[in-house]
Amino acid sequence: EAGVTQFPSHSVIEKGQTVTLRCDPISGHDNLYWYRRVMGKEIKFLLHFVKESKQDESGMPNNRFLAERTGGTYSTLKVQPAELEDSGVYFCASSQELREFGGYTFGSGTRLTVV
Amino acid sequence: AQKITQTQPGMFVQEKEAVTLDCTYDTSDQSYGLFWYKQPSSGEMIFLIYQGSYDEQNATEGRYSLNFQKARKSANLVISASQLGDSAMYFCAMREGGTYKYIFGTGTRLKVLA
Repeated sequence: EAGVTQFPSHSVIEKGQTVTLRCDPISGHDNLYWYRRVMGKEIKFLLHFVKESKQDESGMPNNRFLAERTGGTYSTLKVQPAELEDSGVYFCASSQELREFGGYTFGSGTRLTVV
Repeated sequence: AQKITQTQPGMFVQEKEAVTLDCTYDTSDQSYGLFWYKQPSSGEMIFLIYQGSYDEQNATEGRYSLNFQKARKSANLVISASQLGDSAMYFCAMREGGTYKYIFGTGTRLKVLA
């Protein structure tokens, strides 16, 4: 089965511009998660979808970030307008169920650079 | 507060030797899981090994083992017989029981020397 796919793999944008990141989870995985790693820091949770519903978006930094998951399939994370501190690697992960004590499948991440 | 601490930003190991990557955690929950992920230069996060807080035996997966010392709140990853392909970033993470959020450490970059 195909893994979690994220694109673009890299994005360089200017401060104030808009960027949209996309994540395609493993087919059939109802749970989709977004995480972010700012350079040199730990990877932090952003939000969790169950199908098309946002289950928890407590980690979203501010209202410049908007995540959607249309039809419970792929998800997008839009940053508008982008700021310098938004630079980092954005990871997406998915799981078929909550799998309380199992590992999730992560994508390769999107490296976002805001200049 | 939940926290994962990885005190080794970088490590070197000679090929074919064993290496231990340190991880300590802090939680007030009795039920939790501890995880290690590998991130090679290609970027993907690869799940390596999992240890449950109630597991009495240390987890092992091939050349990976997790040295779980509950009283000391440590969950060190041991890689035996290191290979060049083990060079990567390694993240320790925790999830408390019934939750889906990982708490990650800052990672340890491992370099295996030929």
